[in-house]
Amino acid sequence: SYEVTQPPSVSVSPGQTASITCSGDKLGDKYACWYQQKPGQSPVVVIYQDNKRPSGIPERFSGSNSGNTATLTISGTQAMDEADYYCQAWDSSTAWVFGGGTKLTVL
Amino acid sequence: EVQLVESGGGLVQPGGSLRLSCAASGFSFSSYAMSWVRQAPGKGLEWVSAIIGSGGSTNYADSVLGRFSISRDNSMHMLYLQLNSLRAEDTAVYYCAKDRVGSGSYSDAFDVWGQGTVVTVS
Repeated sequence: SYEVTQPPSVSVSPGQTASITCSGDKLGDKYACWYQQKPGQSPVVVIYQDNKRPSGIPERFSGSNSGNTATLTISGTQAMDEADYYCQAWDSSTAWVFGGGTKLTVL
Repeated sequence: EVQLVESGGGLVQPGGSLRLSCAASGFSFSSYAMSWVRQAPGKGLEWVSAIIGSGGSTNYADSVLGRFSISRDNSMHMLYLQLNSLRAEDTAVYYCAKDRVGSGSYSDAFDVWGQGTVVTVS
């Protein structure tokens, strides 16, 4: 079965750029999206179709997907961005596959 | 306002059954595929099952295939998940989630999630 892998944790200073990676075999051939989940809350999609932002998501969130790696980038990271982030891969043959999640700490 | 509200969770013994429900409002329910996604305590997200808008096709994760059954009632705007032969490892918060694209078939992401309902198998 298909799998995607994320680092368990990433730390960033306020105002700096955070990058969270998601790796999987030929992930670039699939769609990748990213969810933000804060403690006690339901997930919220912040990036879909590799690099598209839903309405209401700040411009500091961006995404890319190529080769075997998708990346979520948060520019000018704010304290409110501290959360767990999950990547999710999809295509019609593999259905929806989530990564293990990355805890983003804003120090 | 688009809203999903799950119910039906609870404490059940191993081998038991539960039926989860998800009430949908604020969108054309029959136009959207729907999914169930679960999250074990302190763990990550796991897609469980999906159903297309018409209800005519379903998909399951290998971990629940043959034990869980997804269904929907478009007239009532309701999504269901029947959980049978429950195991301790099925303990989780179960979320219903709406597909991003209203094509009736599956799309790449979930744009609306419910608040979740807790299933404890012990």
